[in-house]
Amino acid sequence: GQQLNQSPQSMFIQEGEDVSMNCTSSSIFNTWLWYKQDPGEGPVLLIALYKAGELTSNGRLTAQFGITRKDSFLNISASIPSDVGIYFCAGPNTGNQFYFGTGTSLTVIP
Amino acid sequence: DAGVTQSPTHLIKTRGQHVTLRCSPISGHKSVSWYQQVLGQGPQFIFQYYEKEERGRGNFPDRFSARQFPNYSSELNVNALLLGDSALYLCASSLGVRTDTQYFGPGTRLTVL
Repeated sequence: GQQLNQSPQSMFIQEGEDVSMNCTSSSIFNTWLWYKQDPGEGPVLLIALYKAGELTSNGRLTAQFGITRKDSFLNISASIPSDVGIYFCAGPNTGNQFYFGTGTSLTVIP
Repeated sequence: DAGVTQSPTHLIKTRGQHVTLRCSPISGHKSVSWYQQVLGQGPQFIFQYYEKEERGRGNFPDRFSARQFPNYSSELNVNALLLGDSALYLCASSLGVRTDTQYFGPGTRLTVL
């Protein structure tokens, strides 16, 4: 099946630092989504991307849909303690199956 | 308005048993999807139901089945439980068949002993 690989697997950063993470796929996606999951809860949608090359922001979060349609990037500026969690890229394929990435665990040190 | 609700919150079963998990979508949402999330991994897609019909199926054995009721709530059934079925089972709902704007419930934590 589809494999969405995220890197880095985990990050430990100081409060106030910027964060960058990415997601790559073995095949083309027409929609890229980024979710955040807190412990004991379901994922929450952060940003949705629908067009190759698209750059979209949501507050301190910015995500880009890669031109090849096989990758996407998420940046978080000026991190704060509540940014702690696991970030997943995700997307549906043409067969109406939905795939999540392997996740990036973010720890923010105050 | 209530979000997606799932029951039970936690469940402990033994190998070989059967389990039924329940999900109520956000009011007005007609699609429900089910995911399995093993500890330390991303959620894996199991099923999508829209208007009571299966619209998508992931790579899971036939021991896994689901259905959607006229009120759009859904059940996920797993037969002949294995230790490896221990996971967080997530339900998500969306207005239509598209899953790009789905909302997730808190999940049911299933432990198989």
